[in-house]
Amino acid sequence: NAGVTQTPKFRVLKTGQSMTLLCAQDMNHEYMYWYRQDPGMGLRLIHYSVGEGTTAKGEVPDGYNVSRLKKQNFLLGLESAAPSQTSVYFCASSSPLLPAGTQYFGPGTRLLVL
Amino acid sequence: GESVGLHLPTLSVQEGDNSIINCAYSNSASDYFIWYKQESGKGPQFIIDIRSNMDKRQGQRVTVLLNKTVKHLSLQIAATQPGDSAVYFCAENLNSGYALNFGKGTSLLVTP
Repeated sequence: NAGVTQTPKFRVLKTGQSMTLLCAQDMNHEYMYWYRQDPGMGLRLIHYSVGEGTTAKGEVPDGYNVSRLKKQNFLLGLESAAPSQTSVYFCASSSPLLPAGTQYFGPGTRLLVL
Repeated sequence: GESVGLHLPTLSVQEGDNSIINCAYSNSASDYFIWYKQESGKGPQFIIDIRSNMDKRQGQRVTVLLNKTVKHLSLQIAATQPGDSAVYFCAENLNSGYALNFGKGTSLLVTP
């Protein structure tokens, strides 16, 4: 049982390049989330999904797109990376069967945009 | 905007002492709060939660206190150990379980 995994662990992009971050969970959780964490800041919600085929915007969705084609996977896409998107990205999952605040986080993806 | 915040960015305690990490919130409608621990290079990990109909909740070596009158909650760690060194975040639950609003975090350093 790997929990929540993220790929890649680290990536360097040039401004304007695109990339996709992959999140996978093996806990059969319905809900999945993408957060970003900047130095000295808490985590801010980018997008989330309450089930396969559904997504919704969080606090800071601009510049990102997501897809949830399979229950176990949640993809975060950057179509045209900007230096302001340099951050650590965390994926999380949860289940309505658990207490509402119980989210399981992945190890993070460090993204540097030059 | 920021509605959940912590009083101190860093806290240093000696091994064996008790630690208290504070958090203030501004949304009086918030009814559920959670504490997370984040070790260096890792994702946050759930520690303990509390609902607004409670004043206190205890776990293993941790206690969360909630004061709704002044919109304040605290995390108490008993007999702090080196393994407790981490950044601690308080968070409030939004939208009936779909999202968490995190504070900025307090870095706890445990010294021998």
